[in-house]
Amino acid sequence: LAKTTQPISMDSYEGQEVNITCSHNNIATNDYITWYQQFPSQGPRFIIQGYKTKVTNEVASLFIPADRKSSTLSLPRVSLSDTAVYYCLVGDGGGFKTIFGAGTRLFVKA
Amino acid sequence: DAGVIQSPRHEVTEMGQEVTLRCKPISGHDYLFWYRQTMMRGLELLIYFNNNVPIDDSGMPEDRFSAKMPNASFSTLKIQPSEPRDSAVYFCASSESGRGNEQFFGPGTRLTVL
Repeated sequence: LAKTTQPISMDSYEGQEVNITCSHNNIATNDYITWYQQFPSQGPRFIIQGYKTKVTNEVASLFIPADRKSSTLSLPRVSLSDTAVYYCLVGDGGGFKTIFGAGTRLFVKA
Repeated sequence: DAGVIQSPRHEVTEMGQEVTLRCKPISGHDYLFWYRQTMMRGLELLIYFNNNVPIDDSGMPEDRFSAKMPNASFSTLKIQPSEPRDSAVYFCASSESGRGNEQFFGPGTRLTVL
């Protein structure tokens, strides 16, 4: 099972772009890279998922280099409401065991 | 769709009592997951089902924990007997084949064992 490593915490200011990088050196060929967001007292919420190159949706972008050993979640112009824990995980989506690491605690300041 | 539904939202019980947590997954989803979250251990996968069949229960901490999925729209996680160290937030999540790791989580059940 691929293990992920990401920073424990990050601080930012409103309006800035935030990039959170996750390393997953042992990612398998069939694994997707998935990011979740969790607010206090709520369950994790799916943000974005990708396999290679770049994926963008209305919330974030996900950049994945060719070797897929790392990925970067990019949050454009964060607001105070983006303060949350962000989890990176990898897996093949079927017959898998999902492992959430410690996540990155993002704190957005005014 | 109402999303994943969990009940109860809060449960306070005394040590030794039986606790049953309930989950209704999103209709059409064929995977169901039970997680536990604590400050010390983070978010841990306890067990997951595919098409109502338990696939991996290696995360279940002890024999005191059991989970069932009698049909596609209902699952239970039971703790018998409960202990104070079982106090945590328990999440249920569901997903659909072919969607990778895109899981939909319920609001969780906060369990306190006194």
